[in-house]
Formats: sequence, C-alpha cells, structure tokens
Amino acid sequence: AQSVTQPDIHITVSEGASLELRCNYSYGATPYLFWYVQSPGQGLQLLLKYFSGDTLVQGIKGFEAEFKRSQSSFNLRKPSVHWSDAAEYFCAVGTGGGNKLTFGTGTQLKVEL
Amino acid sequence: GAGVSQSPSNKVTEKGKDVELRCDPISGHTALYWYRQSLGQGLEFLIYFQGNSAPDKSGLPSDRFSAERTGGSVSTLTIQRTQQEDSAVYLCASSLGAGFDTQYFGPGTRLTVL
Repeated sequence: AQSVTQPDIHITVSEGASLELRCNYSYGATPYLFWYVQSPGQGLQLLLKYFSGDTLVQGIKGFEAEFKRSQSSFNLRKPSVHWSDAAEYFCAVGTGGGNKLTFGTGTQLKVEL
Repeated sequence: GAGVSQSPSNKVTEKGKDVELRCDPISGHTALYWYRQSLGQGLEFLIYFQGNSAPDKSGLPSDRFSAERTGGSVSTLTIQRTQQEDSAVYLCASSLGAGFDTQYFGPGTRLTVL
C-alpha cells in the first residue's frame, strides 16, 4: 500500500531564510506527487504537483520541489521564506488513477520575524 | 469564480444521532471527493464520485458512513449513529475531470460528537 512520510512535525525558520520540507513516499508504480498548504482557517491549496518529465517542478508562491526516484523523495523548497508562509504543509501521493490522495501527516511551519 | 463550499461549517451533535454534511463543488467539475482530517488519523480519503460512474467507496471507515451525489453536482455525506471517534473536519474537494486534475478543497465541516 502507498504511504507518505513527512519526518518533521514542526519546523521553525527565520523570515528570509531558506526552507526545505522533507517528504518520502512508498508506492509501487510511478508516483504522482503533490504538495498542499493549509493556512489557519483555510482550505487546502495546491502548491505544485509532479506527474512526469522534469524532476524539478515550480509552484505558486515561489515554492519548488524536486522528485528524486532513487531516494523516493519529493522535498519542497523555498529560497526565502516570508512570514505569510507560516502554515501546515502536506505532501501527498495520488493513486488509483490519481483520484485518491494519500497524505502525509503534515509539517507545521513557523516563521520567526 | 466560486470555490467549493461546504455546510454547515460547524456541527455539534450527540452520540448516536445522524448527521448530514453538504458539499457544493465548483460548477462544471465532474469529480467530487470527501476526505476526513482528524488528530489521530491525519487526512484520509473517504469516497470519490466521477460523473455517472459508481462511486469509489473504498475509504469509508464503516457502514455508518454513506454519501450520495445528486444530479452530478451537490453531494451529501451522511453519518448514522455518530460515535465520538467520528469527530473530525470533513473536507470536500472537486476537480474538473478524473485522473490527476487538481483537486480544489472546500473549507471543511468541523464535526464534534459529544
């Protein structure tokens, strides 16, 4: 069965610092990978997704993620974090024809001013 | 345009009662999903509707849970004989089509079972 691991439950970074959120997946076939963000009181918003092709994908809000098949990873990065990036971030793998998302447990990001 | 809407935003009920949660997807979206977000289980897939096809119910945790989608639009998730472990935020999402089209999520319904 597919699974997603986000090893960091909480991360704190200073505004302007770089960010990397880790995501590892387990899936027998070619994975379809997603990063979502959930701000307080808000619904989940898609940041980016990977299906195939270039392993470095660009998303909204200046985020990018790199798919590394050899490491079963899909880490999310941002070169300079803004205070408004404080939120919870979820990595997900799409299975069953893409329609079922299996989510990781999330990483709560705190940004220090 | 309007996003996915869900009602009610909050629902408090007593153990053993039935509840109905409503989802209005984005107009024109043929696929609709329900997920549950709880402290103990994280975000879990519950059920998926695509057009007129039979729904994928593989994520429903028990036969107390059911869902329907009328006219290919509005969906209702029903939980019968609620239990305290049903307390969670129930999220609805819709996408334009099947496959890996982006799923747009609603704000959720927070269900509390006393």
